[in-house]
Amino acid sequence: QQPVQSPQAVILREGEDAVINCSSSKALYSVHWYRQKHGEAPVFLMILLKGGEQKGHEKISASFNEKKQQSSLYLTASQLSYSGTYFCGTAGAGSYQLTFGKGTKLSVIP
Amino acid sequence: NAGVTQTPKFRVLKTGQSMTLLCAQDMNHEYMYWYRQDPGMGLRLIHYSVGEGTTAKGEVPDGYNVSRLKKQNFLLGLESAAPSQTSVYFCASSVIGRSEGYTFGSGTRLTVV
Repeated sequence: QQPVQSPQAVILREGEDAVINCSSSKALYSVHWYRQKHGEAPVFLMILLKGGEQKGHEKISASFNEKKQQSSLYLTASQLSYSGTYFCGTAGAGSYQLTFGKGTKLSVIP
Repeated sequence: NAGVTQTPKFRVLKTGQSMTLLCAQDMNHEYMYWYRQDPGMGLRLIHYSVGEGTTAKGEVPDGYNVSRLKKQNFLLGLESAAPSQTSVYFCASSVIGRSEGYTFGSGTRLTVV
């Protein structure tokens, strides 16, 4: 089953913050986050593992709540370059292939 | 350092025709995957491979076949194309283990008329 992402779309002004959520009905071992710009391939942002630490990448960070099988992606002080569709991909224990959510379209405007 | 290369980038097929999509990676990755992306559906796994000579079905395998005769190549075949297979196809690869993400190819846009 696909993980559920929320919101489906969000519009931000430069400098504003956003949170994108990803939840699964299955027990998770890892959660990946990717960003895809229009007409391009998805690009890996970060991975969170069960029992691991919260990850950070410049002004983008993420957390993984193992009890709730949820992950959240935090974008702070958004920039125009953050625009795109964000996907979470999840994997359970014993599997490496990811199941992706339907994506969250983020638009950052001046 | 090309990463993951997909060919062709665009293709139009008539219903019933066959074709093969090629994915090649130069990163010595063990795992390779084929996904399809449709509007509003995200990325759905078609088939994957955990090593040379091995393949397995993903979420939406019907109508597709794959082969991994060489570690660096992963082929996706459509034996008899249908309009429902109109999509953007992405190949990806990854290392063994869970510490790194996927590297995606640039995609193949396939239209079946």
